[in-house]
Amino acid sequence: ETGVTQSPTHLIKTRGQQVTLRCSSQSGHNTVSWYQQALGQGPQFIFQYYREEENGRGNFPPRFSGLQFPNYSSELNVNALELDDSALYLCASSFRTSEQYFGPGTRLTVT
Amino acid sequence: KNEVEQSPQNLTAQEGEFITINCSYSVGISALHWLQQHPGGGIVSLFMLSSGKKKHGRLIATINIQEKHSSLHITASHPRDSAVYICAVPDSNYQLIWGAGTKLIIKP
Repeated sequence: ETGVTQSPTHLIKTRGQQVTLRCSSQSGHNTVSWYQQALGQGPQFIFQYYREEENGRGNFPPRFSGLQFPNYSSELNVNALELDDSALYLCASSFRTSEQYFGPGTRLTVT
Repeated sequence: KNEVEQSPQNLTAQEGEFITINCSYSVGISALHWLQQHPGGGIVSLFMLSSGKKKHGRLIATINIQEKHSSLHITASHPRDSAVYICAVPDSNYQLIWGAGTKLIIKP
C-alpha cells in the first residue's frame, strides 16, 4: 500500500454536471500529478501541482482544474462533464523528482 | 517516433517461464519507472532506477543509460503476474512520458 488515497472510488454523474475528485498524498510528498485513463488506453497527464502551484499541464481544456492544499492533498475539478470524461482518474504523489506513488484511482462514469 | 517504446505489446507465457519486457527511450532522463496495472485496477510503482539493476522478489529491472534501454524481468512467473507493465520516463518538468504498455498473460 502506497499511502496515497483517493475518494470516491466510484462515481456516476450526468452530462453537464460538475465533479470534484480528491487525493491525499503520501506523507512527506509535496508534488501531486493527475492522470486520466480511458478504458483500454494508457494514462494521459492532466496536470501537476508542486507546493500549491500548477507546475505543468497536459492537453486538457480549462474545465479541468485543480487545487493543492497546504497539507499537499489535492483536488481535481471537472466542469460541464462530457461523456468522453468517463475514465479512471489517477493521482500520484512524489517528493519533487522522486518515485511517484499512485493512488487506487476514482472511476468516473458520465451518462 | 514515440519517445518511449515498449516491446512486446502482448506476451502470453506458461507459468514458471522467465519473462522479459523491454523499453527504449529517446529522451535524456534522470530515472526510469516501471509500473504495473492489473485489469480495472490502479497503478503500482515497481521500480524507479537511474543506473544498474534493482531486484524485488521475483522482479528484476535493469537499465543501460548509454544505450537508452531498460528491461523488466520476471523469474518463475505466476498467473498473478498477469497485468499490464508500463515503463515511463520523466520529462524536463518531471512529468511522466508513458510507454504504451505490455499486456502479460501467464497461463497456469
